[in-house]
Amino acid sequence: EAQVTQNPRYLITVTGKKLTVTCSQNMNHEYMSWYRQDPGLGLRQIYYSMNVEVTDKGDVPEGYKVSRKEKRNFPLILESPSPNQTSLYFCASSPSASAQTQYFGPGTRLLVL
Amino acid sequence: GEDVEQSLFLSVREGDSSVINCTYTDSSSTYLYWYKQEPGAGLQLLTYIFSNMDMKQDQRLTVLLNKKDKHLSLRIADTQTGDSAIYFCAESSRGNNRKLIWGLGTSLAVNP
Repeated sequence: EAQVTQNPRYLITVTGKKLTVTCSQNMNHEYMSWYRQDPGLGLRQIYYSMNVEVTDKGDVPEGYKVSRKEKRNFPLILESPSPNQTSLYFCASSPSASAQTQYFGPGTRLLVL
Repeated sequence: GEDVEQSLFLSVREGDSSVINCTYTDSSSTYLYWYKQEPGAGLQLLTYIFSNMDMKQDQRLTVLLNKKDKHLSLRIADTQTGDSAIYFCAESSRGNNRKLIWGLGTSLAVNP
């Protein structure tokens, strides 16, 4: 089944403890992206990747890192999480940067204490 | 800057039509999208419309685009309880990055 998967789905952590949220797609998509969703602020893009080894900042990249060593995976890294990173995170992928359809993962709900 | 606005809530009776409205500011948007988010689930693309179209129909869904007024609407015919969800309007940004500019979502409640 074609899909975007994220792990974990739910995570409670403490300030400063490094964590990684994984994102994987099995559709051979070139383009991948991370969003965070917050009440009253909607979805905002964190980072995106046009292809392997090509990543760039979105609107709210501070406090996050990403990597794109393989086409299928696009992990989101929080080196030192803070409470303001408590949010619902979505990974998305698309066949290419010019394709019209983005496929979203199920979301990762993160709580930073 | 770029902005997408939607009303936050809509309540309809089962069997009625629902119309969810959206306004956007970026006149250079090439595509406009409607996504659906059910509780605890990810975002599901419902439909999209190219900016040179006025209307698109897909089964129970009708999208109307008024480019002059920068107004987009989603009509759901014969609304069912399974249509209860949050509906997001989004526009594609300029440039190669397929970043979507999102509205805050309209929560649709369908009453039996």
